[in-house]
Amino acid sequence: KQEVTQIPAALSVPEGENLVLNCSFTDSAIYNLQWFRQDPGKGLTSLLLIQSSQREQTSGRLNASLDKSSGRSTLYIAASQPGDSATYLCAVGNNAGNMLTFGGGTRLMVKP
Amino acid sequence: GAGVSQSPSNKVTEKGKDVELRCDPISGHTALYWYRQSLGQGLEFLIYFQGNSAPDKSGLPSDRFSAERTGGSVSTLTIQRTQQEDSAVYLCASSLVGFGTEAFFGQGTRLTVV
Repeated sequence: KQEVTQIPAALSVPEGENLVLNCSFTDSAIYNLQWFRQDPGKGLTSLLLIQSSQREQTSGRLNASLDKSSGRSTLYIAASQPGDSATYLCAVGNNAGNMLTFGGGTRLMVKP
Repeated sequence: GAGVSQSPSNKVTEKGKDVELRCDPISGHTALYWYRQSLGQGLEFLIYFQGNSAPDKSGLPSDRFSAERTGGSVSTLTIQRTQQEDSAVYLCASSLVGFGTEAFFGQGTRLTVV
């Protein structure tokens, strides 16, 4: 059974810092990995999708990397802003394409 | 529509009553999923629909939970004889073809059983 772990569970940084969120998974036979953002009381917003054949994806100040063989992904946020404060979730898609397994999330607070 | 739409956004019900939660996926998306997010917990998979195939119900926690998808579009999640432990945010997602493509989530329905 796939297990996804995110470290740290919570992170507080001053505005302007670059930061890295970590995601690890136990079964490397994945189809893709997706990073989401969740604001309090809201649904999930898709940030980046990395297919298993890819090493990284970039969108604006966000860069996600994937090392499938070691079961790891990182989400890099450059020049963090208070508006980046949210919970960040990584989710791993299985090869059958019918399941996304989520990590517990990292709750990020960026202080002005 | 522009995104995945869920209704109601909030639902308070008495223990023992039945509830129905609705999900309108993005037009043209053949895959639809229901997840549950309990307070302080991660997202728990409930059920998966792909086109006209039989749904994957492996995540439904009990036989009080059921879901259907009519015409390959709108889905309804029904919880019978609700219990307090059913209180959670129920999230629906859709994707073009399974989770091989990007999944888009709705805003969720917050269910409170009192």
